[in-house]
Amino acid sequence: AAGVIQSPRHLIKEKRETATLKCYPIPRHDTVYWYQQGPGQDPQFLISFYEKMQSDKGSIPDRFSAQQFSDYHSELNMSSLELGDSALYFCASSLRALSLNTQYFGPGTRLTVL
Amino acid sequence: GENVEQHPSTLSVQEGDSAVIKCTYSDSASNYFPWYKQELGKGPQLIIDIRSNVGEKKDQRIAVTLNKTAKHFSLHITETQPEDSAVYFCAARGILTGGGNKLTFGTGTQLKVEL
Repeated sequence: AAGVIQSPRHLIKEKRETATLKCYPIPRHDTVYWYQQGPGQDPQFLISFYEKMQSDKGSIPDRFSAQQFSDYHSELNMSSLELGDSALYFCASSLRALSLNTQYFGPGTRLTVL
Repeated sequence: GENVEQHPSTLSVQEGDSAVIKCTYSDSASNYFPWYKQELGKGPQLIIDIRSNVGEKKDQRIAVTLNKTAKHFSLHITETQPEDSAVYFCAARGILTGGGNKLTFGTGTQLKVEL
């Protein structure tokens, strides 16, 4: 079965640069979520979108923005990168119509800020 | 907001033994509790989930129990195998409204199954 696709899988940036992470949800899924996971930590919710509209917002810095496009893929844009932004970034997708609205995670993008 | 606590942080068992991981949550409105397994360098993989109107759910060697009154839920793995070694996260989610579908994760349990 098709899974969540994230690109790139690895990204190295310098401080103050910008980065764009992409997420392609499971086909027919209408909701995407972004999580940040630091080393040895649990995933922390950043933001989510349902039908191209922001549906929930967590601890996302003002330097970050995200959107969901008409084909349901999503992009996380990160500007003025800081050393502390180095982490694994996961995208998850779900189909809201299903009663459990289960979230399925992608393989993640490992961002390293030097 | 929701707060999820998870214990233990590390768990070492012998192959064939059982493993139990426990979580507590703070928001009584939470009604959905998934468990994820995360192997090194990979994304969290859903292994089992339970709704608040169910007390127990089992899938082969894995079971989850939920005590709504006490606000805690547990993962039970029987007949552990080396491939069960990974980090396990519990999570909780609130009521499905216009938004609010985010998961709040526990801090994770590093399970090691020794031969």
